[in-house]
Amino acid sequence: DQQVKQNSPSLSVQEGRISILNCDYTNSMFDYFLWYKKYPAEGPTFLISISSIKDKNEDGRFTVFLNKSAKHLSLHIVPSQPGDSAVYFCAASVLYSGTASKLTFGTGTRLQVTL
Amino acid sequence: DAGITQSPRHKVTETGTPVTLRCHQTENHRYMYWYRQDPGHGLRLIHYSYGVKDTDKGEVSDGYSVSRSKTEDFLLTLESATSSQTSVYFCAISETGTDGGQPQHFGDGTRLSIL
Repeated sequence: DQQVKQNSPSLSVQEGRISILNCDYTNSMFDYFLWYKKYPAEGPTFLISISSIKDKNEDGRFTVFLNKSAKHLSLHIVPSQPGDSAVYFCAASVLYSGTASKLTFGTGTRLQVTL
Repeated sequence: DAGITQSPRHKVTETGTPVTLRCHQTENHRYMYWYRQDPGHGLRLIHYSYGVKDTDKGEVSDGYSVSRSKTEDFLLTLESATSSQTSVYFCAISETGTDGGQPQHFGDGTRLSIL
């Protein structure tokens, strides 16, 4: 039972254009969402997060949008650069759920930014 | 970069042998986590720790045990390795648990192959 879903395994975008990565979740208790970026042979690197009290959060070229009614979030990268080529993981957690904030990850989307 | 070191980085072993993976942090963070990454599953939580000698199970804890005798070290043990435990293992740390929504930061992983 995949509670966090990334239905697009891969995405190819031209340099300079917008990349949009999507994520859906089924657990209505999730109230904190994160995006991680992963290069081969390295660990995931935190990119940006959003709590359920917001519907948008921006950090430079990266913006995350949250639609709670649709249980959907998306990551926008504008403009896309070749160095953005990586696997992107969406993750979700329930704050105040116990002893630690346990993350539930999606299966990842491989983004390739072409010249 | 968060000061997280995983050792070994690569290991090949045989079915039935015990295996211990080590995660060492220099950040003095209270929370530590072990995940495994497999194709089609993203990252899944194995065990986590919320303090010295305080640990709990994650989503896929069967066949694994953990120990944390010092703040800086979190050990993951496969008592009798099976081929289904072939995976890439990631350690993560975070400063806060449920009260701050702080992101987890990951080490570079251990690639474990069980023949």
